Amino acid sequence: DAGVTQSPTHLIKTRGQQVTLRCSPKSGHDTVSWYQQALGQGPQFIFQYYEEEERQRGNFPDRFSGHQFPNYSSELNVNALLLGDSALYLCASRLRLRNSPLHFGNGTRLTVT
Amino acid sequence: AQTVTQSQPEMSVQEAETVTLSCTYDTSESDYYLFWYKQPPSRQMILVIRQEAYKQQNATENRFSVNFQKAAKSFSLKISDSQLGDAAMYFCAYHGSGNTGKLIFGQGTTLQVKP
Repeated sequence: DAGVTQSPTHLIKTRGQQVTLRCSPKSGHDTVSWYQQALGQGPQFIFQYYEEEERQRGNFPDRFSGHQFPNYSSELNVNALLLGDSALYLCASRLRLRNSPLHFGNGTRLTVT
Repeated sequence: AQTVTQSQPEMSVQEAETVTLSCTYDTSESDYYLFWYKQPPSRQMILVIRQEAYKQQNATENRFSVNFQKAAKSFSLKISDSQLGDAAMYFCAYHGSGNTGKLIFGQGTTLQVKP
């Protein structure tokens, strides 16, 4: 039973560029959430997707956007990258109707130079 | 707004001994969930234990147990018979009553286990 998978594992981008991160949820899960974790900090909620729409959003600017596909996989896009966007980006999935706990992936480490 | 506070940036414990990690939270909701997650160097956030606020009984999972004090808004994690593999960053997290999938995390506590 595959868990939550994220790609790529590491990424280096230049300030001003755009980046796309990808996530495949755990088998049987229909909901994907994204979190940003700065070094030494707790994760911060970015947004949640289910039924291919953004349903809940944290305190992040519009430069952060996402998408969910019919197979429940998801992408996180960040435009006009800033140095402060350097962080570990975690994807988590769950089965919404059961309000089940979140299962997390290993994250994508984004470095902006 | 809900907040979660972990006041112990670092803790250490001798192998086979018991350690307690502290967490306090603030909320005006009466129905919610609390979690402890473990994050080893592999980066994956692993669910350790979950507590529903409406349940008075403290949750237990093998060597892990919680002390849930709803009135005091306190949610501590006790690790018994500590093992080297328990070394990791531990996060306390809050999920409100709405089915949002939004977790609010504390700052984390780094646990060192000494052989």
